[in-house]
Amino acid sequence: DVKVTQSSRYLVKRTGEKVFLECVQDMDHENMFWYRQDPGLGLRLIYFSYDVKMKEKGDIPEGYSVSREKKERFSLILESASTNQTSMYLCASSFQGATADTQYFGPGTRLTVL
Amino acid sequence: AQSVTQLDSQVPVFEEAPVELRCNYSSSVSVYLFWYVQYPNQGLQLLLKYLSGSTLVKGINGFEAEFNKSQTSFHLRKPSVHISDTAEYFCAVSEFTGGFKTIFGAGTRLFVKA
Repeated sequence: DVKVTQSSRYLVKRTGEKVFLECVQDMDHENMFWYRQDPGLGLRLIYFSYDVKMKEKGDIPEGYSVSREKKERFSLILESASTNQTSMYLCASSFQGATADTQYFGPGTRLTVL
Repeated sequence: AQSVTQLDSQVPVFEEAPVELRCNYSSSVSVYLFWYVQYPNQGLQLLLKYLSGSTLVKGINGFEAEFNKSQTSFHLRKPSVHISDTAEYFCAVSEFTGGFKTIFGAGTRLFVKA
């Protein structure tokens, strides 16, 4: 079974703090993704990575950065947290093949910025 | 450009009744289509996917979906729902634009009542 784990289920931070969200997958997947989920908006892609040390901006990258130093780990960084970054953050991974493949999701991190 | 529209934000239904969750997409190229389910306090998991071949796709938990290319739709159906089907359902579309990009719909919350 594919397992994607996220470092925290719930997180409360103060405005201006630097926040790290960690994601680890155990299936040797090439692709990893960070989404934020907000009611009525579905999932919006923040950043993704097709390989180690490689990153691409998604649809809403402003205010975020990422790091992928090892294949199994993909970190999302909020350099200076703001209240509008309060959201559910979902990490996912997938195999890189000739067709689009299933994304496997972690349980999510609910971040509250006060 | 890709877009995904889930036509109903909430669908209430009685137990053992049939249900259809609607999904329309727009894309200028060939697409791959997915339905994911999110149970409370969990990440998303795959229900079913259409990559090629038969337009009627069967998934887990008795769900099925039909790809209609002329109507650009991929509606999800179940002939008889259970209380345990209460969850949020997301339609997703992937297209190849140098790499595979996936867009998620806003989600449909299914409430199954006794």
